[in-house]
Amino acid sequence: EVQLVQSGAEVKKPGESLKISCKGSGYSFTSYWIGWVRQMPGKGLEWMGIIYPGDSDTRYSPSFQGQVTISADKSIGTAFLQWSSLKASDTAMYYCVRHQAIQYYFDYWGQGTLVTVSS
Amino acid sequence: QSALTQPASVSGSPGQSITISCTGTSSDVGGYNFVSWYQQHPGKAPKFIIYDVSNRPSGVSNRFSGSKSGNTASLTISGLQAEDEADYYCSSYTSSSTLVVFGGGTKLTVL
Repeated sequence: EVQLVQSGAEVKKPGESLKISCKGSGYSFTSYWIGWVRQMPGKGLEWMGIIYPGDSDTRYSPSFQGQVTISADKSIGTAFLQWSSLKASDTAMYYCVRHQAIQYYFDYWGQGTLVTVSS
Repeated sequence: QSALTQPASVSGSPGQSITISCTGTSSDVGGYNFVSWYQQHPGKAPKFIIYDVSNRPSGVSNRFSGSKSGNTASLTISGLQAEDEADYYCSSYTSSSTLVVFGGGTKLTVL
């Protein structure tokens, strides 16, 4: 069974750094792209970017380029999303997704990680 | 403002059919058959229900169907059930540097 299991909720202060994780199992982790999707409170879905764990090729949405870093450690089957300096506007639910590369759809979703940034 | 336009809300009675539209441009919906749809119940992660415009993944009810005409894709739910009450999002590949665009989401209410 394919599963994406994300790390737990985080509460941070503005300016702090953060790295959240997404562990894939039940499939070949290095053969599928992993993506990240943001959902701000009461709002819709936003595509942030993707990484191919096989070679760490990474693509970002222009809206998120330079704001976050996507990485992966194929030895432990885990992808990461990190911030170097959080802002209050980063408060959101973040989902990792298994990303079908050719047709650009997301067939498996993690349970989500809620990030709250507040002073 | 989302790249793809969906109605904010739709409603229907049990047993009826409803259709949710998703309007883009020739750079996304109209130019490629890479439209997908997702269902999200409150407090839950989205669930994948349609891919490549009209294909259903294994395990998704055949009451859900997708189609496309020009720059507008549509999701139809037939035989509405109470459990269908949720938010629905469309998504498409785009030839812009964004690569993927979502609609703003549609809240389906089953009366």
